[in-house]
Amino acid sequence: DGGITQSPKYLFRKEGQNVTLSCEQNLNHDAMYWYRQDPGQGLRLIYYSQIVNDFQKGDIAEGYSVSREKKESFPLTVTSAQKNPTAFYLCASSPADRLYEKLFFGSGTQLSVL
Amino acid sequence: GENVEQHPSTLSVQEGDSAVIKCTYSDSASNYFPWYKQELGKRPQLIIDIRSNVGEKKDQRIAVTLNKTAKHFSLHITETQPEDSAVYFCAASMQGGSEKLVFGKGTKLTVNP
Repeated sequence: DGGITQSPKYLFRKEGQNVTLSCEQNLNHDAMYWYRQDPGQGLRLIYYSQIVNDFQKGDIAEGYSVSREKKESFPLTVTSAQKNPTAFYLCASSPADRLYEKLFFGSGTQLSVL
Repeated sequence: GENVEQHPSTLSVQEGDSAVIKCTYSDSASNYFPWYKQELGKRPQLIIDIRSNVGEKKDQRIAVTLNKTAKHFSLHITETQPEDSAVYFCAASMQGGSEKLVFGKGTKLTVNP
């Protein structure tokens, strides 16, 4: 994926289960983002992080949590509190000097509920 | 509210024709407008972006125009090819309480050979 890797490609969640989606980048980007994509909808921001050990809620953060312990990694946990988790999740990164510009996306994780 | 309206939701053209996708935005302070292309099953990729201090930008067969007064911007693809078939998303920066990028809902472009 040219520098940003998401895993797994497909993930299934059982009722009441927390699941974690991985996102790793080697682009030396400071900013990282998580977006949710539903069919026929635009991308909606879940969380973003501009620097290590700091992150901010996006428009639809409820039921999700993140961590940013390393510059290269920004994992997303979908908690049991997220009642409608089925969606395509995209991780992205960008240089720090202009937030949200020149986003470079991973190939995504499709999350489904069993 | 902060939103970006994108039209049409689907667009079908013949190979060689032009395609135009239009977006309108609500925040007069918006100053950055990117376009992303997402082929089936793949990640979105930035194809062109424009800032509010210019009215038009071109890159080979792709161009974006911006009308700040009317708060709308458009993607123009000339001499379309089957490999242009994809979903195209526009987006606009919004200032509000904190800076964000708001995406349109996408346009599925089909180029028929």
